Amino acid sequence: AQSVTQPDIHITVSEGASLELRCNYSYGATPYLFWYVQSPGQGLQLLLKYFSGDTLVQGIKGFEAEFKRSQSSFNLRKPSVHWSDAAEYFCAVAPGTGGFKTIFGAGTRLFVKA
Amino acid sequence: GAGVSQSPRYKVAKRGQDVALRCDPISGHVSLFWYQQALGQGPEFLTYFQNEAQLDKSGLPSDRFFAERPEGSVSTLKIQRTQQEDSAVYLCASSLGAGTSQETQYFGPGTRLLVL
Repeated sequence: AQSVTQPDIHITVSEGASLELRCNYSYGATPYLFWYVQSPGQGLQLLLKYFSGDTLVQGIKGFEAEFKRSQSSFNLRKPSVHWSDAAEYFCAVAPGTGGFKTIFGAGTRLFVKA
Repeated sequence: GAGVSQSPRYKVAKRGQDVALRCDPISGHVSLFWYQQALGQGPEFLTYFQNEAQLDKSGLPSDRFFAERPEGSVSTLKIQRTQQEDSAVYLCASSLGAGTSQETQYFGPGTRLLVL
């Protein structure tokens, strides 16, 4: 079955510290991979996406993610977290060849402490 | 430019009532998606439109759920005889092209439905 697992329900980091949010997926073929951020009262915003090629992808707001095929993972990272990064983060997968159904993980809520 | 808008932002319904949720996609966007996001969960796909054609409605939980996009722009998600388990945030997203997974989806702020 196709699924996305975000093992951490919530994470707390200090402002200025580094961040890594984990994402593992189960999919029949290599999917397209995405990270979205959802701030309270707002819709999801795409941070970055991976289709093919370089396994390290850069996104907006200083985020990056690394695709590791052998581990079926697509972890999100940021070297230095800002208080404004506090939000819910969703990892998602979608068919790599046609199709459009996107499957989301349950999300990881990030808390940033001063 | 304007993003995806949804109305109402909040809706409280008594069990058994019918509700209608509206989505205004970005102008010119061909594809429109509806998702249901239960508390503490990620969004789950409900249905997909390409222009006015509903190409996939496999995610609709029951026949009480109905979606339409008659002129290929605004879409309405209707829930008949609401049940408590329908309480969730309903998200709408649109994308410029034909809805393949490479297309960036732009999400609205959602409608939070509470069924009492």
